[in-house]
Amino acid sequence: NAGVTQTPKFQVLKTGQSMTLQCAQDMNHNSMYWYRQDPGMGLRLIYYSASEGTTDKGEVPNGYNVSRLNKREFSLRLESAAPSQTSVYFCATSTGTYSYEQYFGPGTRLTVT
Amino acid sequence: GEDVEQSLFLSVREGDSSVINCTYTDSSSTYLYWYKQEPGAGLQLLTYIFSNMDMKQDQRLTVLLNKKDKHLSLRIADTQTGDSAIYFCAESFNDMRFGAGTRLTVKP
Repeated sequence: NAGVTQTPKFQVLKTGQSMTLQCAQDMNHNSMYWYRQDPGMGLRLIYYSASEGTTDKGEVPNGYNVSRLNKREFSLRLESAAPSQTSVYFCATSTGTYSYEQYFGPGTRLTVT
Repeated sequence: GEDVEQSLFLSVREGDSSVINCTYTDSSSTYLYWYKQEPGAGLQLLTYIFSNMDMKQDQRLTVLLNKKDKHLSLRIADTQTGDSAIYFCAESFNDMRFGAGTRLTVKP
């Protein structure tokens, strides 16, 4: 029972490159989230998916796209990476949207040079 | 937008009590949470309190909620070096908002 897994753990990109961050869960949760964590700013929601087949923007969606591939998987894509996207990215899941405990993956540390 | 605010740093001696404070602005919040983040890891839920409660105790953890002042606190009794981590306060109603996190350092 792995919980919430994220790949890769670390990534370095050059400005303008693209990449996809992967998240998978085996908790049978309906809702999934992508956050970014920056020093002194806490976690900010990028996108979320309340259930399979739906996605919605969060607080900071610009420069990102998401895909809820199935109930288990929720990916985050950076089409043209910028230095401002250097951050630690966390995927989280919950049984329902927001008013339930969220379970976090270990994070992906992304550096854009 | 609504903000959740916490002080960024707290340092205590092993065996002392730690109190981490948080203020929030959304009076509609239904749940308030404390999460713990250890180095290199994701956040892990420590405890939560419903907005209609004043206090919740869970072993060494005590959560106090003052709805009038929109103030939430987390008290850790008999703080140990293993409690060194970043602690996040969060509120939820229509969305989940996190504070910036308080880095707790426990000195032996």
